[in-house]
Amino acid sequence: GAGVSQSPSNKVTEKGKDVELRCDPISGHTALYWYRQRLGQGLEFLIYFQGNSAPDKSGLPSDRFSAERTGGSVSTLTIQRTQQEDSAVYLCASSLRVLGDYEQYFGPGTRLTVT
Amino acid sequence: ILNVEQSPQSLHVQEGDSTNFTCSFPSSNFYALHWYRWETAKSPEALFVMTLNGDEKKKGRISATLNTKEGYSYLYIKGSQPEDSATYLCAFSNTGNQFYFGTGTSLTVIP
Repeated sequence: GAGVSQSPSNKVTEKGKDVELRCDPISGHTALYWYRQRLGQGLEFLIYFQGNSAPDKSGLPSDRFSAERTGGSVSTLTIQRTQQEDSAVYLCASSLRVLGDYEQYFGPGTRLTVT
Repeated sequence: ILNVEQSPQSLHVQEGDSTNFTCSFPSSNFYALHWYRWETAKSPEALFVMTLNGDEKKKGRISATLNTKEGYSYLYIKGSQPEDSATYLCAFSNTGNQFYFGTGTSLTVIP
């Protein structure tokens, strides 16, 4: 079946512009996660969704970052007034349930470059 | 932010060698430990989900053990093959819903 998809695969934007990153999880997966990997660093947890709800937004790096999920499916991560330090690969993953017992399925990522 | 450490950072082995790497995590409030393999130009792929102290999991030539009381997990690869070349990531969760990843061990298997 279809895996997790993300779009765009690459995004180059100018500092100060807003960007929207999209994630399509596997159908039926109630849990959705956003991570980012900056150059030379490990995967950094940003936020998770249980259905359409994000119970804890403390992992988001700043108030310029927001995320939503609609219909228990597609999620968008929005970064306002992008800064150069936002340059990273943004990965989305989904799993059957929001419980650590379930493996996560990752998308191919969106490479964001802020110039 | 919880500290999850992986060692070594990188490893080069000859084809046929067996190898192992370590993931260290906080020993309090354990919920789950995941292992993922991340090949270049691909997405991370789950290897194991481990939830119980003393868990041992195996998939082909790859196996993993878990010690939650002392806060470590080992990943073993027996008879390494070139296709095993990848970065191996561990991810720790103390709540079941937030995951903290190590920086990974990069394995290169030389034919």
